[in-house]
Amino acid sequence: AQSVTQLDSQVPVFEEAPVELRCNYSSSVSVYLFWYVQYPNQGLQLLLKYLSGSTLVKGINGFEAEFNKSQTSFHLRKPSVHISDTAEYFCAVSGGNTPLVFGKGTRLSVIA
Amino acid sequence: DAGVIQSPRHEVTEMGQEVTLRCKPISGHDYLFWYRQTMMRGLELLIYFNNNVPIDDSGMPEDRFSAKMPNASFSTLKIQPSEPRDSAVYFCASSPVSQKLYGYTFGSGTRLTVV
Repeated sequence: AQSVTQLDSQVPVFEEAPVELRCNYSSSVSVYLFWYVQYPNQGLQLLLKYLSGSTLVKGINGFEAEFNKSQTSFHLRKPSVHISDTAEYFCAVSGGNTPLVFGKGTRLSVIA
Repeated sequence: DAGVIQSPRHEVTEMGQEVTLRCKPISGHDYLFWYRQTMMRGLELLIYFNNNVPIDDSGMPEDRFSAKMPNASFSTLKIQPSEPRDSAVYFCASSPVSQKLYGYTFGSGTRLTVV
């Protein structure tokens, strides 16, 4: 079985500052990792995914994430955030054809 | 493509009433998932279907919950009778056969309030 831990429930950051949202996973098999974003009153949208290959994955809206197998982490980063990045971010893991298991989410608040 | 369509967007009902949530997945997607989102528990998988067949319903909290997928373009999640603790946002998502390549496409959710 897989599980995901998002270490921070809330992250406030000033506009144009860098941000890192942390995600650790647990799995007994090879994993596929995802980050989703949820804007207020909307469903989740896929930001990026790691399947294999390069451990640095680039996604939409300037976000990137790095897969670290030894630390079982998949942290999400952005070098300079905007007000429009204010949202909830979910890390998710799958063992292949098993359904995605989501973390509890990190609420990113960008302060002007 | 209109994406995954859920209805209604909001539902307020009294305890004990039957509630039916509806979902239309993206055409051609083989998998359909129902998730529930609450502050306390986050996103929980309730049930998922592959080619209209329920594969795993172990996340359905009680017998009061049931889900059907009569055809490839429609699914329902029913709660009968509803209770205040069922208040949550219910999401439907669909995925092509290769889930890991494409991830899921989520609907906008149904916000259920049971009073």
